[in-house]
Amino acid sequence: GENVEQHPSTLSVQEGDSAVIKCTYSDSASNYFPWYKQELGKGPQLIIDIRSNVGEKKDQRIAVTLNKTAKHFSLHITETQPEDSAVYFCAPTDSWGKLQFGAGTQVVVTP
Amino acid sequence: NAGVTQTPKFQVLKTGQSMTLQCAQDMNHNSMYWYRQDPGMGLRLIYYSASEGTTDKGEVPNGYNVSRLNKREFSLRLESAAPSQTSVYFCASRSGGGTDTQYFGPGTRLTVL
Repeated sequence: GENVEQHPSTLSVQEGDSAVIKCTYSDSASNYFPWYKQELGKGPQLIIDIRSNVGEKKDQRIAVTLNKTAKHFSLHITETQPEDSAVYFCAPTDSWGKLQFGAGTQVVVTP
Repeated sequence: NAGVTQTPKFQVLKTGQSMTLQCAQDMNHNSMYWYRQDPGMGLRLIYYSASEGTTDKGEVPNGYNVSRLNKREFSLRLESAAPSQTSVYFCASRSGGGTDTQYFGPGTRLTVL
């Protein structure tokens, strides 16, 4: 079956610094690559996504880069703020809409 | 527009009891999903429904049944709850059209004693 690895599992950054989370997948049928943010006690929320025909996408302080040949994609958060503290999940998705979630990265932004 | 709603928010069961988790979406989405989330793990797919009238097994279907009642509603049933089913359950929906985004509900925290 599909295998998704997400690193690191925890990430502590100083406010204002950058954070990078990497997701590696094995299913070559994956063609949609979202990142979800989950705050305590809530469901995951989409924060950014990228499709297989694009290498990079940016939305204000967050960006996602995709290397489909190497089968990995990364989440970049710049100028981190305390409200960025949450668990982040990658979820490579196939054309049927079936997500395979990574184990998650706990991000802690310290003032 | 409430998005995806789930009931109940919390539930405690004894081993062997049964219960149904309810999920509804008001976004006119075709596809609906049930996931479970255990500590330190990502979400794992239990069952999904690609369209009204169809259901399929996901990664961890044992011990669960589902019903796609209509386009809006997708329920998850535990016939005989076990402690291993203690988890947080999330329902999600997806349009199934040009966008592949899944929208998640707030979750149901279930404890089986």
